[in-house]
Amino acid sequence: EVQLVESGGVVVQPGGSLRLSCAASGFTFDDYAMHWIRQAPGKGLEWVSLISWNGGVTYYSDSVKGRFTISRDNSKNSLSLQMNSLRAEDSALYYCARDEHGTASPGYKFVNWGRGTLVTVSS
Amino acid sequence: EIVVTQSPLSLPVTPGEPASISCRSSQSLLHSNGFNYLDWYLQKPGQSPQLLIYFGSDRASGVPDRFSGSGSGTDFTLKITRVEAEDVGVYYCMQALATPITFGQGTRLEIK
Repeated sequence: EVQLVESGGVVVQPGGSLRLSCAASGFTFDDYAMHWIRQAPGKGLEWVSLISWNGGVTYYSDSVKGRFTISRDNSKNSLSLQMNSLRAEDSALYYCARDEHGTASPGYKFVNWGRGTLVTVSS
Repeated sequence: EIVVTQSPLSLPVTPGEPASISCRSSQSLLHSNGFNYLDWYLQKPGQSPQLLIYFGSDRASGVPDRFSGSGSGTDFTLKITRVEAEDVGVYYCMQALATPITFGQGTRLEIK
């Protein structure tokens, strides 16, 4: 059974930093691209970032570009999101999701989702 | 950025009746390979989203056949032939053609 378990969400002050993790199991992790998607409380879904199977290709939404860094450790079946210069508008439930493909190419498809980890940016 | 717009945003439906959600994109989602890169997701109350439809009309594994997707280019529709109580939640369409990947605003389906 595919499992994605996010962790690392906490309350952090504006301007602070945070690192989210996603532990993957039940599939061959290094075969697939991975995504982070977020959902502000009571709001819709917002795609955040994508990383290819080997970490060679990454993409970001404009709202986080330059502040967030996605990475993966295939030896540990782990996905990460380093979040710097956090703002109130970054407050959200952050999901990691598995793509159907390994490359970061069109035809994106979130076939498995974790349950999310909550990030609150507040003073 | 490709803008994706859904309607309606709220959809009250009587059980057993059909339902339909529209999704429009600001650019064609028809790839040169002939596939439309448009997905549909359902987020049931208190749950993570789940994939329903990909390529505009292909049902994901385990999705009941009362769900169907249609459309091409910039106009797409998700239809439920006979709504059941378990279908309540928020439906999102998403363009899967280009980054940044973008979602529609979501359509909240509720049972009358």
